[in-house]
Amino acid sequence: NAGVTQTPKFQVLKTGQSMTLQCAQDMNHNSMYWYRQDPGMGLRLIYYSASEGTTDKGEVPNGYNVSRLNKREFSLRLESAAPSQTSVYFCASSELPPPISGLRGELFFGEGSRLTVL
Amino acid sequence: QQPVQSPQAVILREGEDAVINCSSSKALYSVHWYRQKHGEAPVFLMILLKGGEQKGHEKISASFNEKKQQSSLYLTASQLSYSGTYFCGTNTGTASKLTFGTGTRLQVTL
Repeated sequence: NAGVTQTPKFQVLKTGQSMTLQCAQDMNHNSMYWYRQDPGMGLRLIYYSASEGTTDKGEVPNGYNVSRLNKREFSLRLESAAPSQTSVYFCASSELPPPISGLRGELFFGEGSRLTVL
Repeated sequence: QQPVQSPQAVILREGEDAVINCSSSKALYSVHWYRQKHGEAPVFLMILLKGGEQKGHEKISASFNEKKQQSSLYLTASQLSYSGTYFCGTNTGTASKLTFGTGTRLQVTL
């Protein structure tokens, strides 16, 4: 009964380094999302994917790339990390595809990945 | 456009009631509520849709005023387990995405 699994849970990077956050869901959901959470800012959408092979930008996509490898997995890549990307990253999934998911879809979140960029 | 939540923080004694509000500057198609405990993932509470449909936890009560572009979450007879940060997410119909507010931190004490 794993739900949404994110790895790694913690990561420290130096400015300019690259890394990939991995996300996998075992609920056979269609939609997957990457959010970042910063103090006082709430959750902001970085990218989302309606289905395998499709991705779309959210509110704050700059500095990130994503890949929807298959229905289960959705990865987030930082090519050249910057201190402004220090944040907690959450992956989420929804059974319903966009646009319906945004209207009436329950989001299931992973436990988060805490990233610090020095 | 990010919805505005109020209050930003509230402290309650166990058994007291609280109301958390979520306001939008745009017309709303749906409002979603989530609770996040410290260091954990947000957890779904409820969805309220334009037209009156609701889905969510039976013990959670909320309202959706389409005309005022507002939603309120009612926490009655609060328990210690209600502590956490409550987020509303709004869908204004222009895209398939939710936009979340900055959260309301609720602390319930003995």
